[in-house]
Amino acid sequence: DAGITQSPRHKVTETGTPVTLRCHQTENHRYMYWYRQDPGHGLRLIHYSYGVKDTDKGEVSDGYSVSRSKTEDFLLTLESATSSQTSVYFCAISSQARDSTDTQYFGPGTRLTVL
Amino acid sequence: KQEVTQIPAALSVPEGENLVLNCSFTDSAIYNLQWFRQDPGKGLTSLLLIQSSQREQTSGRLNASLDKSSGRSTLYIAASQPGDSATYLCAVRGGADGLTFGKGTHLIIQP
Repeated sequence: DAGITQSPRHKVTETGTPVTLRCHQTENHRYMYWYRQDPGHGLRLIHYSYGVKDTDKGEVSDGYSVSRSKTEDFLLTLESATSSQTSVYFCAISSQARDSTDTQYFGPGTRLTVL
Repeated sequence: KQEVTQIPAALSVPEGENLVLNCSFTDSAIYNLQWFRQDPGKGLTSLLLIQSSQREQTSGRLNASLDKSSGRSTLYIAASQPGDSATYLCAVRGGADGLTFGKGTHLIIQP
């Protein structure tokens, strides 16, 4: 299994509070991704990173920001959590991008509930 | 915008049967297609990756095919076992960064 950890694994918070989720990898992969998984929608890309301090938006980026100050860590921040952000959040990593051999490996997920 | 559809959404079969899960995608300009397995409350485990130039990949009892021109992939599971019960996800790697996922097929293998 790829060395990917996510913290926390579970979190319950209240509407309007800031929340930061952490993804940590030990594979030294260049590319990191944040997805959310919701019933009826499948997994959707929130943000991704193609290197330290290099990030870009995905399909559902509104209300989220990210930061990557080290190769191994990718942080997802909800500045002011809303109930619509209740979801399971997955981090993924890959060593390639836009390449036919690009394989993404996923972390165990973080279940976030916003009350 | 790429869209990925998986049929059926759910499937329940007796142990020992061979079965096929289907995946279709709307934009054939892909780098690869990946099949994942997800157990309840768990992350995603990569099963097979088929590069855009390939027609199929095999791993044990699993065989995945890709017809890029028609936008279709199938995952064939031979001699199904109760341990195969899980949700199977299909995802394509296209021009945009990140993967585009289908909603999955929830598979139950009855002992």
